[in-house]
Amino acid sequence: GENVEQHPSTLSVQEGDSAVIKCTYSDSASNYFPWYKQELGKRPQLIIDIRSNVGEKKDQRIAVTLNKTAKHFSLHITETQPEDSAVYFCAATLLSGGYNKLIFGAGTRLAVHP
Amino acid sequence: AAGVIQSPRHLIKEKRETATLKCYPIPRHDTVYWYQQGPGQDPQFLISFYEKMQSDKGSIPDRFSAQQFSDYHSELNMSSLELGDSALYFCASSLVGWDEQFFGPGTRLTVL
Repeated sequence: GENVEQHPSTLSVQEGDSAVIKCTYSDSASNYFPWYKQELGKRPQLIIDIRSNVGEKKDQRIAVTLNKTAKHFSLHITETQPEDSAVYFCAATLLSGGYNKLIFGAGTRLAVHP
Repeated sequence: AAGVIQSPRHLIKEKRETATLKCYPIPRHDTVYWYQQGPGQDPQFLISFYEKMQSDKGSIPDRFSAQQFSDYHSELNMSSLELGDSALYFCASSLVGWDEQFFGPGTRLTVL
């Protein structure tokens, strides 16, 4: 089955700096890679996602890159703000009918200091 | 816009008791997923349903069972509760053909 590894487990940056979180996956059949932001005690919220037929996707200060050959994808947050502080999870799945279970990475706790 | 609804939001049970968690997906969504998230951990997939049939199964203990009803809501039944079952339980829903899973607010289960 799929296995997702995520690094780093914690990340501390100054406001305005960039933050990069990296994930690798094991199943080459996986074709959908979402990123979730989770604040303490709250639900995971989708912030950006990418499909395997795309190498890069950007949404304002957030971007995701995918390297299918290396089975590696990354989240880039630019101009970080204190409200970006949260736990970020990457995930991978094979979109297939009703079988789209998400396999999550272990999470990265991002702290943005003013 | 309507979101995924979960009830109850908080539940406190004693060891060996039973618990039932409910999930109401976004209208017209035909797929429901259940995830368990322990403290400081990532969400772990438990089970999913598509069109009222179990579609996939993950690390769900035999003490747990679930089903999806004709109105697409789903219930997770947990018996012989153990201390280690204390966690946040999330339900997510999606529409086949669309990739995003929408998560509910979660049920925080505490087993004493």
